[in-house]
Amino acid sequence: QLQLKESGPGLVKPSEALSLTCSVSGDSIRNANYYWGWIRQPPGEGLELIGSVYYSGSTFYSPSLTSRVTISVDTSNNYFSLKLTSVTAADTAVYYCARFRKYYNSPGWPDFWGQGTLVTVSS
Amino acid sequence: EIVLTQSPGTLSLSPGERATLSCRASQSVDSNFLAWHQQIPGQAPRLLMYAASSRATGIPDRFSGSGSGTDFTLTISRLEPGDFAVYYCQQYINSPGTFGQGTKVEIK
Repeated sequence: QLQLKESGPGLVKPSEALSLTCSVSGDSIRNANYYWGWIRQPPGEGLELIGSVYYSGSTFYSPSLTSRVTISVDTSNNYFSLKLTSVTAADTAVYYCARFRKYYNSPGWPDFWGQGTLVTVSS
Repeated sequence: EIVLTQSPGTLSLSPGERATLSCRASQSVDSNFLAWHQQIPGQAPRLLMYAASSRATGIPDRFSGSGSGTDFTLTISRLEPGDFAVYYCQQYINSPGTFGQGTKVEIK
C-alpha cells in the first residue's frame, strides 16, 4: 500500500530556508513510471504546483519559484526532499508531496498525494 | 505559463442533482494533458480524472470528463453527500503544470 509522508519543521523564520522530506513506502522511488513532487496550498486558497524530480535527478520547477527551489531525490533511502530558500509569509502553506505519473517523458498528473504538512513562516 | 480558469466559483446544488464544472485554458491543451482532482475539506486532494476523460482507479462512473482545446468539463451525474467538495483542474502539457483556482460544490 503506497504511503507518502511529509516531515520537517512546522515553523520557519522569514529569510531562512524551508526544508521538507517525503518518505515513500509501498513503491520504489526508482520506479521508471513516475516523478515525485511537491504541491502547496496557502490557507483558504488553491493549489500551486512547486515542481518534481525523476529518480535520475532530472527536475521540473514552477517558473515563479525556480530561483528559490531545489527538489532532490535519495534513491538509497527512498525519499525525496524540498528546499525553498529566502522564505516570506507568502510561503506559509500546507505542503503536499505527491507521486506524478510520467507522461511523454515529463511529469503528468499526481495520482497519489501525501496527507500534507503545514509550514508557517513567522518570526 | 498556461492559466486555467474554472467556473463557476461556487455551485450550490442538492443531492441527486447534476453538476457541471468548467475549466478553460489560456491556450490550447491537448485533451491528453488535463486532469481533475477533488478535495474534501480537511483532506488532501485525490485524483479523479486524467487525460480529460479517463477515470482514476476507484472513481465511480457518475463522474465523467470531456473537452478538448481550451474548454473542458467535469460532470457529476447525480451528486452524493460525499461529492460536496472543491474540484481543481490541472494541465500538464507544460511542465511542471498548473492548477485552476477551483470550483466549490456546496449543498444547497
